[in-house]
Amino acid sequence: DAGVIQSPRHEVTEMGQEVTLRCKPISGHDYLFWYRQTMMRGLELLIYFNNNVPIDDSGMPEDRFSAKMPNASFSTLKIQPSEPRDSAVYFCASSLTAPQGYTFGSGTRLTVV
Amino acid sequence: AQSVSQHNHHVILSEAASLELGCNYSYGGTVNLFWYVQYPGQHLQLLLKYFSGDPLVKGIKGFEAEFIKSKFSFNLRKPSVQWSDTAEYFCAVNAVFGNKLVFGAGTILRVKS
Repeated sequence: DAGVIQSPRHEVTEMGQEVTLRCKPISGHDYLFWYRQTMMRGLELLIYFNNNVPIDDSGMPEDRFSAKMPNASFSTLKIQPSEPRDSAVYFCASSLTAPQGYTFGSGTRLTVV
Repeated sequence: AQSVSQHNHHVILSEAASLELGCNYSYGGTVNLFWYVQYPGQHLQLLLKYFSGDPLVKGIKGFEAEFIKSKFSFNLRKPSVQWSDTAEYFCAVNAVFGNKLVFGAGTILRVKS
């Protein structure tokens, strides 16, 4: 089992550019979560999916953020346009059946300059 | 809505000292409780979890936690820390019939060799 796979590991982009973060959950897991981690705000849940359907996106900071899960093995988190305050580590996690504890990916460190 | 409070943001200990990290949650119903660890530059890993039964839960690497329902607490303990335990520790909770894992702000543990 390769675990939850995120790409890229690091992303540096200029303000105003579009950023797409990718996640492949563990096969068979039916829940997928996107978290953002910053020093100031800690770990924040942005959105989660169950069986590819977005269930709760109340944590998405604003309309610049969007997330999709076109199939059970792939999800994206997009920021357009990006801003310096979006700089953070973005984690994806998946779970077989909530609430059983999540398996986290290695994260994407995003820097917007 | 659930919330999680971790009492100490930074803890510094010498090797072989005993560790106790406090965690209190706020929720009126039945919950599942977790401790995660994040080593420097890495993703979150599950240390231990409590769903039901024996309130004293043993996890990996010699860690344990005790659920005290009357105090809404789930403190993490280890009798003798090692330098390799240097990491950030997160307490998390979700309602038994909920899907969102809510994290505390984290406690950074530094163990001096």
